[in-house]
Amino acid sequence: AQRVTQPEKLLSVFKGAPVELKCNYSYSGSPELFWYVQYSRQRLQLLLRHISRESIKGFTADLNKGETSFHLKKPFAQEEDSAMYYCALSVNQAGTALIFGKGTTLSVSS
Amino acid sequence: DTEVTQTPKHLVMGMTNKKSLKCEQHMGHRAMYWYKQKAKKPPELMFVYSYEKLSINESVPSRFSPECPNSSLLNLHLHALQPEDSALYLCASSQDGANQPQHFGDGTRLSIL
Repeated sequence: AQRVTQPEKLLSVFKGAPVELKCNYSYSGSPELFWYVQYSRQRLQLLLRHISRESIKGFTADLNKGETSFHLKKPFAQEEDSAMYYCALSVNQAGTALIFGKGTTLSVSS
Repeated sequence: DTEVTQTPKHLVMGMTNKKSLKCEQHMGHRAMYWYKQKAKKPPELMFVYSYEKLSINESVPSRFSPECPNSSLLNLHLHALQPEDSALYLCASSQDGANQPQHFGDGTRLSIL
């Protein structure tokens, strides 16, 4: 079955602390994974995709096929990182059908 | 123009009404999407259009009828909806092909009386 699991509904950290948002997936094919973010009162937007292996706003995510994970990490959290984060998996060859995890709310306080 | 624009922002309708949600993008994207999002839940894919042809229908009830009149526009026609259809309806677009980021609109918040 195709599935994306984000085990934490809420993650609260202090400013400057490391952050790791967990994402595990279940998919029989070659996975294409994304992190989307929704800041307060803003639209859902792409943060990262595994294919590009880039760092955006200090966040990185590495695909680990052995552990079927795509965890999102940042070494030093900032208050402006507070948002809802969704991990998403593309489940068709065309790359157009996304299924989303349930999301993790990240709250960064000073 | 790098935005996906959805109208209206809010819609209240009765169960016997017919209404339409509209979505527009001018980024030259050839894939367009409708999602349904209930409160505190992730978006759920409803329909995908690729090059103006319906390519995915995620077993959506026929009271939702999508239409893609041209490469920039996507409509969702609503008829005889149920109270449980109340939700935020999101439109998105992307370049066609794998690993393309989807650009989302702000959504239409739909309430069924």
